[in-house]
Amino acid sequence: GEEVAQTPKHLVRGEGQKAKLYCAPIKGHSYVFWYQQVLKNEFKFLISFQNENVFDETGMPKERFSAKCLPNSPCSLEIQATKLEDSAVYFCASSQWQGDTEAFFGQGTRLTVV
Amino acid sequence: GEDVEQSLFLSVREGDSSVINCTYTDSSSTYLYWYKQEPGAGLQLLTYIFSNMDMKQDQRLTVLLNKKDKHLSLRIADTQTGDSAIYFCAEDTASKLTFGTGTRLQVTL
Repeated sequence: GEEVAQTPKHLVRGEGQKAKLYCAPIKGHSYVFWYQQVLKNEFKFLISFQNENVFDETGMPKERFSAKCLPNSPCSLEIQATKLEDSAVYFCASSQWQGDTEAFFGQGTRLTVV
Repeated sequence: GEDVEQSLFLSVREGDSSVINCTYTDSSSTYLYWYKQEPGAGLQLLTYIFSNMDMKQDQRLTVLLNKKDKHLSLRIADTQTGDSAIYFCAEDTASKLTFGTGTRLQVTL
């Protein structure tokens, strides 16, 4: 597709439940990035992929968060046993190559943990 | 640290120029970016500047880069109500973006 598609737009989970977010990058883009935007607008880098391989996971919390990009499937970000502080908007972005000047962002998934 | 600092809020009158400032930390960044985020929406890349440039103009947008002071600014000429949004500067650090804290631009009539 010509845009980064994120689903769902909104997700509400009770504390302790699992949340799974999806991202379809732009066709032909090799790099996928996940960012978390918390309520004060702060963006935090989580993880990036080069095709199906993890490229940089330095921002991923060690526990509860996992992500995958499998061939012929949307990428996913999964949070096990959600906590209130996981409430945020999760953005996915894709770019054609490493160092590409433009990363295209999806519209985000707003996760609310209650 | 990797803090990229911006002032929180800017209010301008329609037709005036807006200047949004950003102080970044990573002197090895190759590119510096300005993104716009409207309410409930994703990030839209407005413009970027290569680190060996000190100015870039793109229609109503002018980016100034002072590498010595690690200071980046975005000037929007003839600001319109449609420019109301949050503006983020960002630097590329090790193949990922580090964003500023965001400046909310309010355009009044």
